[in-house]
Amino acid sequence: GAVVSQHPSRVICKSGTSVKIECRSLDFQATTMFWYRQFPKQSLMLMATSNEGSKATYEQGVEKDKFLINHASLTLSTLTVTSAHPEDSSFYICSARDPTSGVWEQYFGPGTRLTVT
Amino acid sequence: GENVEQHPSTLSVQEGDSAVIKCTYSDSASNYFPWYKQELGKRPQLIIDIRSNVGEKKDQRIAVTLNKTAKHFSLHITETQPEDSAVYFCAAGGGDMRFGAGTRLTVKP
Repeated sequence: GAVVSQHPSRVICKSGTSVKIECRSLDFQATTMFWYRQFPKQSLMLMATSNEGSKATYEQGVEKDKFLINHASLTLSTLTVTSAHPEDSSFYICSARDPTSGVWEQYFGPGTRLTVT
Repeated sequence: GENVEQHPSTLSVQEGDSAVIKCTYSDSASNYFPWYKQELGKRPQLIIDIRSNVGEKKDQRIAVTLNKTAKHFSLHITETQPEDSAVYFCAAGGGDMRFGAGTRLTVKP
């Protein structure tokens, strides 16, 4: 099956610094990637949808200047949390999909646990 | 936009019993309805999905039903086993998806 990797799996950073999270599709071309945020014991909240080569579409309430998303290639999307604060601590999960394949399933990465101190 | 509601939030069953989780959605344009199982600290795993042109789908002990008119879909797990214990999420959408709040299923041996 399709494999999506995420790096790093865990990151601890100091308040005010920026953190970059990478999401890669390893064996398929992901024309569309999604970024989710999940707080403990809660559901996955869609943050943004990114299509390769175009600007990401952010969900209402998600600050685009704080959560920078780049989808520069068919296999890589990055999420940069800028000027991180403790309230940004969360589990961030990406997923990828290739709409041209006719497959509807989104393939999830393993997630990145961000802790801001 | 799409809004997905999921019930119950917690469900405890005895091993061997059946478990049913229900979801409703709001956007009639949604045409893809997957169910995910998530264990603590891990990625969601797709267990079954259904598209809007199908009313029911079964895969061994797992089945999903979809009622497009009523905008609700359900997950049925039969002959539950302790390893079925996890959090289950429904989702609805098309290009993008919205997730339900999750159901914590506990199967007691």
